[in-house]
Amino acid sequence: AQRVTQPEKLLSVFKGAPVELKCNYSYSGSPELFWYVQYSRQRLQLLLRHISRESIKGFTADLNKGETSFHLKKPFAQEEDSAMYYCALKTGGFKTIFGAGTRLFVKA
Amino acid sequence: GAGVSQSPRYKVTKRGQDVALRCDPISGHVSLYWYRQALGQGPEFLTYFNYEAQQDKSGLPNDRFSAERPEGSISTLTIQRTEQRDSAMYRCASSAGQGGTNTEAFFGQGTRLTVV
Repeated sequence: AQRVTQPEKLLSVFKGAPVELKCNYSYSGSPELFWYVQYSRQRLQLLLRHISRESIKGFTADLNKGETSFHLKKPFAQEEDSAMYYCALKTGGFKTIFGAGTRLFVKA
Repeated sequence: GAGVSQSPRYKVTKRGQDVALRCDPISGHVSLYWYRQALGQGPEFLTYFNYEAQQDKSGLPNDRFSAERPEGSISTLTIQRTEQRDSAMYRCASSAGQGGTNTEAFFGQGTRLTVV
């Protein structure tokens, strides 16, 4: 079955601390993975995708096929990073499966 | 427009009524997606359009749900005989590509549907 699991509903860290948002997936094909973010009162938007291997706003995510994971990391969290984060798996070319989301709260 | 536009932003309807939710994608975007998001959950895929062709409707929960995109631009998601369990945020997204890789999806603000 195709599934995306984000085990933490809420993650709270202090400003300047490292942050890791966990994501595990289940998919028999070649996965295409994304992280989406929704800031307060804003639209859901793409943060990064694994094929780009880019760092956006200091965030990176590495696809680990052996562990079927795509964890999102940032070495030093900022208050403006507080948001809802969704891991997503693209299947069949256009169908995207989202995880339940993790709310990140960065405390001053 | 600057982005994907959905209307109405909020809709309260009585059980049994029909509702129509509108999505105006970014001009020129080929692909259009509808998602439903229940409280505390991530978006759940409903259906996908490539231009005016509905290429995947596997996520529509039952035959009360239908969607169309007759001219390959604006899309309408219709829910007939609404039930309380239909209450959710309905999200629309569009992308420039035809659903392949490297095609970022841009989301609208969503329509919050409440069935009372």
